[in-house]
Amino acid sequence: GIQVEQSPPDLILQEGANSTLRCNFSDSVNNLQWFHQNPWGQLINLFYIPSGTKQNGRLSATTVATERYSLLYISSSQTTDSGVYFCAVGPWGANNLFFGTGTRLTVIP
Amino acid sequence: DTAVSQTPKYLVTQMGNDKSIKCEQNLGHDTMYWYKQDSKKFLKIMFSYNNKELIINETVPNRFSPKSPDKAHLNLHINSLELGDSAVYFCASSSLAGEQYFGPGTRLTVT
Repeated sequence: GIQVEQSPPDLILQEGANSTLRCNFSDSVNNLQWFHQNPWGQLINLFYIPSGTKQNGRLSATTVATERYSLLYISSSQTTDSGVYFCAVGPWGANNLFFGTGTRLTVIP
Repeated sequence: DTAVSQTPKYLVTQMGNDKSIKCEQNLGHDTMYWYKQDSKKFLKIMFSYNNKELIINETVPNRFSPKSPDKAHLNLHINSLELGDSAVYFCASSSLAGEQYFGPGTRLTVT
């Protein structure tokens, strides 16, 4: 199956700092999603972004499909941003998602 | 007005038992999925159903059997539970465009 690598694996930020999370994938995709798994285990949809750039409040994401990577930007981080951020991709011709191993973000006050 | 719901939220059972997890979506989606998240937080597809037909069956033991009575429901039945089955199981559904929405998860603990 398609390989999905996320970096960094762990990130500790002071509240108010900005960060960039990266997702590299090994094949062309027709689906790419970013999720936040909060400390209670819920998977929250952040972005559906197989290509292009989107913004939602303090979060934005960019996918460059031709170069097989996506970036998630978090600005002015808050303690509620803590959790694990997953990138997941769906290859052409398949409906299922392949997940990366996640970036564990800890925002300290 | 929960989009994807699962029951139960927690399930503790002994080895050898048979258990079921239920999933329902009210989004009108045609495709539903089961994913497993292991103790290291890795998420992996188990099954996918498109309009009541199985379209993916990843290499999971045949003790796991998905059943879809209609396109809004996808249940997961597990026979002869083993310690290694302990995990969090997520149900999801997707639109034609492919964006997937996940349920809250069922934490299964086998003792």
